[in-house]
Amino acid sequence: DAGITQSPRYKITETGRQVTLMCHQTWSHSYMFWYRQDLGHGLRLIYYSAAADITDKGEVPDGYVVSRSKTENFPLTLESATRSQTSVYFCASTGIGGSSYEQYFGPGTRLTVT
Amino acid sequence: QQPVQSPQAVILREGEDAVINCSSSKALYSVHWYRQKHGEAPVFLMILLKGGEQKGHDKISASFNEKKQQSSLYLTASQLSYSGTYFCGTERNNAGNMLTFGGGTRLMVKP
Repeated sequence: DAGITQSPRYKITETGRQVTLMCHQTWSHSYMFWYRQDLGHGLRLIYYSAAADITDKGEVPDGYVVSRSKTENFPLTLESATRSQTSVYFCASTGIGGSSYEQYFGPGTRLTVT
Repeated sequence: QQPVQSPQAVILREGEDAVINCSSSKALYSVHWYRQKHGEAPVFLMILLKGGEQKGHDKISASFNEKKQQSSLYLTASQLSYSGTYFCGTERNNAGNMLTFGGGTRLMVKP
């Protein structure tokens, strides 16, 4: 189906484990983003990518790693999960080139670190 | 650097109007508005660009004061479906598509 999807939708993991959250979009959007959403903080940008093989840090990148070998995929890895990384994670993508295009959000992944 | 939204929460009756404000301390290129319903992803409503261009929803309007780096979202004749949390996302000059989101305004519309 066309759109932007995330997997898994729910994940429970233990402190210290590595976790990868997947994001896939079918629009060939050049820009992709990872946000985390916590109560009282709104949406905070973790990492973003302007194109395949081009990634950059956002506001809260510590403890996270991203890669983008293909335009359609943008996985986010928590190298060693901590309780403070318990959150809802949203992936988003936006249109071809330029700026100020609307962002399309995936359904989110609810991650709990115990 | 997070933009400040006000009010934090508002309760309306159907048909009433509301204004949600978003203020930044940084020079902005654009302001985006999104609505998020409980348990769902944010959904785009509106983009306001520096220079006055506006794109978005035909039942919701907004303004962008470039001098004050402030934007306001106007919800008129509110409907039950307007309930949710509204976020502004600000884009600074030459920041590409990077948005910094405010903390959100929770809107509840009652019958």
